[in-house]
Amino acid sequence: DAGVIQSPRHEVTEMGQEVTLRCKPISGHDYLFWYRQTMMRGLELLIYFNNNVPIDDSGMPEDRFSAKMPNASFSTLKIQPSEPRDSAVYFCASSFRVGEQYFGPGTRLTVT
Amino acid sequence: DAKTTQPNSMESNEEEPVHLPCNHSTISGTDYIHWYRQLPSQGPEYVIHGLTSNVNNRMASLAIAEDRKSSTLILHRATLRDAAVYYCILRGNTGANSKLTFGKGITLSVRP
Repeated sequence: DAGVIQSPRHEVTEMGQEVTLRCKPISGHDYLFWYRQTMMRGLELLIYFNNNVPIDDSGMPEDRFSAKMPNASFSTLKIQPSEPRDSAVYFCASSFRVGEQYFGPGTRLTVT
Repeated sequence: DAKTTQPNSMESNEEEPVHLPCNHSTISGTDYIHWYRQLPSQGPEYVIHGLTSNVNNRMASLAIAEDRKSSTLILHRATLRDAAVYYCILRGNTGANSKLTFGKGITLSVRP
């Protein structure tokens, strides 16, 4: 298996623009997680899905953030409008049941 | 969330064993002890986990105190590639308790 795939790997955008991050989990995994990592706040869980259904979105910072999982092999995290403080590395991870989580390589987002 | 306490950093020499400590005095009876590590510019990766008994795998060993209030991750022969941030995390196995909550971790440096 290719592991968790994230795209793009790097994204530079201007404040106010919409940003969409994409994730393809490992085939057969039924949990998908979105994390954000910054120097100040460390690694934070934003939202997670089980069988494509959002279970806990308490980590989503505000209404500008939204996440979807239309099917078992694809998820998106959208920021609209983006702000400089959203600059971070965003990781997607997947797992089978509540087993070990496999992380993708991350998307480095820079909002200018 | 049950919390863990780790030193900020540790140094080791290449090819020597490394013992990374973790305190978790408020651990509950159903919490598993998980270790993840994050190599530079990569997503976190699973290392090992345990409940009560000591555990071994190809990457490391996990020694758990009899009262479960502390544990130690053991790398038997450190290599330069083991330089990373190591996270000790308590995790339940059902519902919201199954989330991974990352702290600051311990930064391991390995000297050639």
